[in-house]
Amino acid sequence: QSALTQEASVSGTVGQKVTLSCTGNSNNIGSYAVGWYQQISHGAPKTVMFGNSLPSGIPDRFSGSKSGTTASLTISGLQPEDEADYYCSTWDYSLSAQVFGGGTKLTVL
Amino acid sequence: QVQLQESGPGLVKPSETLSLTCTVSGGSISSYYWSWIRQPAGKGLEWIGRIYTSGSTNYNPSLKSRVTMSVDTSKNQFSLKLSSVTAADTAVYYCARGPAVAGTHYFDYWGQGTLVTVSS
Repeated sequence: QSALTQEASVSGTVGQKVTLSCTGNSNNIGSYAVGWYQQISHGAPKTVMFGNSLPSGIPDRFSGSKSGTTASLTISGLQPEDEADYYCSTWDYSLSAQVFGGGTKLTVL
Repeated sequence: QVQLQESGPGLVKPSETLSLTCTVSGGSISSYYWSWIRQPAGKGLEWIGRIYTSGSTNYNPSLKSRVTMSVDTSKNQFSLKLSSVTAADTAVYYCARGPAVAGTHYFDYWGQGTLVTVSS
C-alpha cells in the first residue's frame, strides 16, 4: 500500500492533454512540493517535474500543480515518446521518510 | 554533467549482507542528500533511505533495522548495506541525488540502476 495514490493507468491520443494525479495527506503533499519521475520501459527514472518547476531539457508540454493534498502532472500535446510509467514522490514528516506513489502507466494510443 | 554509477555484487545469498556503492562524477558530493531507491521486478519504486554529506541519515521505517548508509567525500562515493537479506530484497537498486534546499525533497539525478538478486 503506497503512501501516495496514483491512477493505475491513463491513456490518451497524440496531441491530447492528459492529467495524472497524486493524492496524499497533510503530512506529505499538503506540506511539501511533489516530484514527478518518468520511467520508460523499466529504464532508470528521469525527473520531469518538481513542484511546478521544469528541469532542464524537459519539454514545456509538461507542467505541474498542486491543490491541497493532491498534486497533478499535466502533459499538453501528448507525444508517442511520453508513453511511460510516472511516479510521484515527496517527503512525509510524520514518517521522516520519502514516499512514492504506486505509479501510473501512461499509454499513448 | 552529474553522473551516478552503482556498483556491487549482483548476487547475494539469503541471510547475508547486500553492499552497494554509488560513485558520483561531474560534480561534488558535498551539500546534497544521497538516496538509495529500489524496484522489484514489475513493481513500483521504494525509497530505502538517504544520507547527507555530514553523515546524517534517514531510513525507511520498514527497513530501518537492516539498513546502514555511509558517505566518503574524499572518493565522491556513498554506500548502502542491507543486512539479513531474503528473496524479497531482489530488485534493481538505484542511487539518486537530492538537492538540500529547505522544504524541498526531490531527486534531480539518478544512476542507471543495478540488479541485485538474492539466491543461494
